[in-house]
Amino acid sequence: DAGVTQSPTHLIKTRGQHVTLRCSPISGHKSVSWYQQVLGQGPQFIFQYYEKEERGRGNFPDRFSARQFPNYSSELNVNALLLGDSALYLCASSLGSGGDQPQHFGDGTRLSIL
Amino acid sequence: EDQVTQSPEALRLQEGESSSLNCSYTVSGLRGLFWYRQDPGKGPEFLFTLYSAGEEKEKERLKATLTKKESFLHITAPKPEDSATYLCAVQAVGGANSKLTFGKGITLSVRP
Repeated sequence: DAGVTQSPTHLIKTRGQHVTLRCSPISGHKSVSWYQQVLGQGPQFIFQYYEKEERGRGNFPDRFSARQFPNYSSELNVNALLLGDSALYLCASSLGSGGDQPQHFGDGTRLSIL
Repeated sequence: EDQVTQSPEALRLQEGESSSLNCSYTVSGLRGLFWYRQDPGKGPEFLFTLYSAGEEKEKERLKATLTKKESFLHITAPKPEDSATYLCAVQAVGGANSKLTFGKGITLSVRP
């Protein structure tokens, strides 16, 4: 069975640009969460979507936005990129919205800002 | 605010040398504590979920335990392929989301 898939795997942008990252969850999973992982740190929660509705937002500026589509795939958008946005962006999916099922992660998109 | 502290930051073991990784946590109410393994350039791979103090779970050379304040990941007779970063995360009760709060991780190196 396919796991969580993310695209692209690597991306290079310059300051001020915007970026869209994509995620396809495991088949049957309805919840998608996004995390940012800076080198040497653990992942930090950005958003969770369940059944196309936002269920949680972490401490990130409004430059970050996301959405979930009817097929449960998701996009993360970041506007006005800053050097500090350079990180590994991880998508995780789970069956439900609560904590009864573990979240399964993709291999991420490595975003570099020049 | 939920907090997770992992120690040590890095651990070097000889193959076969058993040890434990520590995860201390502060959370308003614990819904679950999760252990993940992360290899370089990869996403975290789920290992265990623990829900209540006293609970233990095992998988091959790994055993995870939970108390009211901390969790341990015990590695018995490790092999070089166990080398990775081990992440601990907590999920709090309440709310409509499944946000995970992670520690910084412990980088384990096992020498042959």
